[in-house]
Amino acid sequence: DGGITQSPKYLFRKEGQNVTLSCEQNLNHDAMYWYRQDPGQGLRLIYYSQIVNDFQKGDIAEGYSVSREKKESFPLTVTSAQKNPTAFYLCASSSRTGRVDTQYFGPGTRLTVL
Amino acid sequence: GNSVTQMEGPVTLSEEAFLTINCTYTATGYPSLFWYVQYPGEGLQLLLKATKADDKGSNKGFEATYRKETTSFHLEKGSVQVSDSAVYFCALSERGAQKLVFGQGTRLTINP
Repeated sequence: DGGITQSPKYLFRKEGQNVTLSCEQNLNHDAMYWYRQDPGQGLRLIYYSQIVNDFQKGDIAEGYSVSREKKESFPLTVTSAQKNPTAFYLCASSSRTGRVDTQYFGPGTRLTVL
Repeated sequence: GNSVTQMEGPVTLSEEAFLTINCTYTATGYPSLFWYVQYPGEGLQLLLKATKADDKGSNKGFEATYRKETTSFHLEKGSVQVSDSAVYFCALSERGAQKLVFGQGTRLTINP
């Protein structure tokens, strides 16, 4: 079955450590996205990539970094510079073809910084 | 800039009640409009979408009509079930922009 996988589902890290969240898709989508969700709030865009080896900052990119070396993969690193990293992180992808920019989401990773 | 405003939750209804969750938007141009649903501890699932004015999106008994004159995309269901309990997000995407702008979400709880 085609879809988006994120691992791990739960992640705990000590303050000051960098941590990398995995996102893989087998939908053959060109575009991939990372969002952050905080309790009672909507989703905020961190980074997005429309093609391999290219990515753009979203609305809250400070303290995060990404890479897009393969079409299928878009890992997100939460660095020690992110002041409040505890949140639910969602990865999404979409096809650049077609008129409607429907995004498909993974199951999410809940990061807790102790 | 583009924005989406949803009715504040939480919303609590009894099973078989009629549901409306309001969504209005501000956008330049002619955006596509979406409703996503998030069940506890999970990612978002696309519920329905509409790409132009007067289009009606529908899925699983839910409907929403793209109203350009009122810049709205209200979600409705005639008879809700306990399994509809979730958080619902309204979102827009400017044509070709490849970015979604989300509302803050509305938590819906259906009691038996």
